[in-house]
Amino acid sequence: GAVVSQHPSWVICKSGTSVKIECRSLDFQATTMFWYRQFPKQSLMLMATSNEGSKATYEQGVEKDKFLINHASLTLSTLTVTSAHPEDSSFYICSARGGRGYGYTFGSGTRLTVV
Amino acid sequence: DAKTTQPTSMDCAEGRAANLPCNHSTISGNEYVYWYRQIHSQGPQYIIHGLKNNETNEMASLIITEDRKSSTLILPHATLRDTAVYYCIVSPGNAGNNRKLIWGLGTSLAVNP
Repeated sequence: GAVVSQHPSWVICKSGTSVKIECRSLDFQATTMFWYRQFPKQSLMLMATSNEGSKATYEQGVEKDKFLINHASLTLSTLTVTSAHPEDSSFYICSARGGRGYGYTFGSGTRLTVV
Repeated sequence: DAKTTQPTSMDCAEGRAANLPCNHSTISGNEYVYWYRQIHSQGPQYIIHGLKNNETNEMASLIITEDRKSSTLILPHATLRDTAVYYCIVSPGNAGNNRKLIWGLGTSLAVNP
């Protein structure tokens, strides 16, 4: 079945530094990748939608200069959290449309902790 | 806002069937019902989806009412590994790639030994 590989699974970084999260679709082409953020005991909140070869579309309230998204190929999308602060600590998840039943396949998530 | 409502939490005994309800009274004619689950600290996992007929796969069964305003996910023999948050989502099945999923809070299912 369709697999989305997300790395790293967890990362701890210092405040002010940048962190890159990668998502790869392993056996299908992901024309569109969705990036979510999830705080403890809350649901998934869509941050942005990225399309291969074009600029990402950000949801209201998400700073595009802080959360840089690159979708340079049909199998790779990256999210870079720039100048991270403790309030950016969260669980970040990517998702691509593909696989079973026109459904969405999700990465395993990245736990970001900013200290 | 999510177009579905689900109970906040449910309990189930190991080995018994878990029946998780979902209300989607404003579902449109072209929208499918999708079920995903999220085990703690993991990404969501696809379970099953349907339009109007009941569906069954190796993981679960999906029962959709005739008026399509509600559905029930059935895990026939729940195990401890089925403990997770279960999300019911409605979305066009074959729409373009940019269709967003709107997530509610889901149902936290606890399977007890």
